[in-house]
Amino acid sequence: AQKITQTQPGMFVQEKEAVTLDCTYDTSDQSYGLFWYKQPSSGEMIFLIYQGSYDEQNATEGRYSLNFQKARKSANLVISASQLGDSAMYFCAMREGPSGGSNYKLTFGKGTLLTVNP
Amino acid sequence: SQTIHQWPATLVQPVGSPLSLECTVEGTSNPNLYWYRQAAGRGLQLLFYSVGIGQISSEVPQNLSASRPQDRQFILSSKKLLLSDSGFYLCAWSHQRAKNIQYFGAGTRLSVL
Repeated sequence: AQKITQTQPGMFVQEKEAVTLDCTYDTSDQSYGLFWYKQPSSGEMIFLIYQGSYDEQNATEGRYSLNFQKARKSANLVISASQLGDSAMYFCAMREGPSGGSNYKLTFGKGTLLTVNP
Repeated sequence: SQTIHQWPATLVQPVGSPLSLECTVEGTSNPNLYWYRQAAGRGLQLLFYSVGIGQISSEVPQNLSASRPQDRQFILSSKKLLLSDSGFYLCAWSHQRAKNIQYFGAGTRLSVL
């Protein structure tokens, strides 16, 4: 089974609207971390937001928020007030095991291509 | 602030030729370092990671090797490139013993012909 599933290969959104990018994960660990990265056409992976499995509140970073539903094992990224510059690939990733532990590996999903229309 | 440099940005190499990609980090000490490969339209695959000088862990046995000769330098190498080595290679770093938020370089597009 895939550890990270992003079911939307592509998404379209109008400029200034909000958009939700889906991510579900699979782990038997109680302690883990969830990440979202943005990859513009230039190729660089840009870290957006982090959610720890024991964090009680959903993470927010500016226009980005992570809708964390632990029981459903989902960690959806919400982008508010979309901008043309938000057009990019978005990847969800997971670290299994506790923060500061010996597991350094991030497992990435296959990504969602977001296109923001003017 | 910390920065990560990766070069070259683009590389075209013939099959059977050697490879050396270099990555350096500035502004931090004793980082964890990573090499990833991204095939066209795919997610990232971790190739190697390092938690210290001379310490290399391989995730996927293959035609590539990695070395960490200095604290903030990570090198990806091959003695003889294969067609299947083509792809986008990304270097990343993270703080030791933290959330493992990984910060990436700009990447190298490698075409093996």
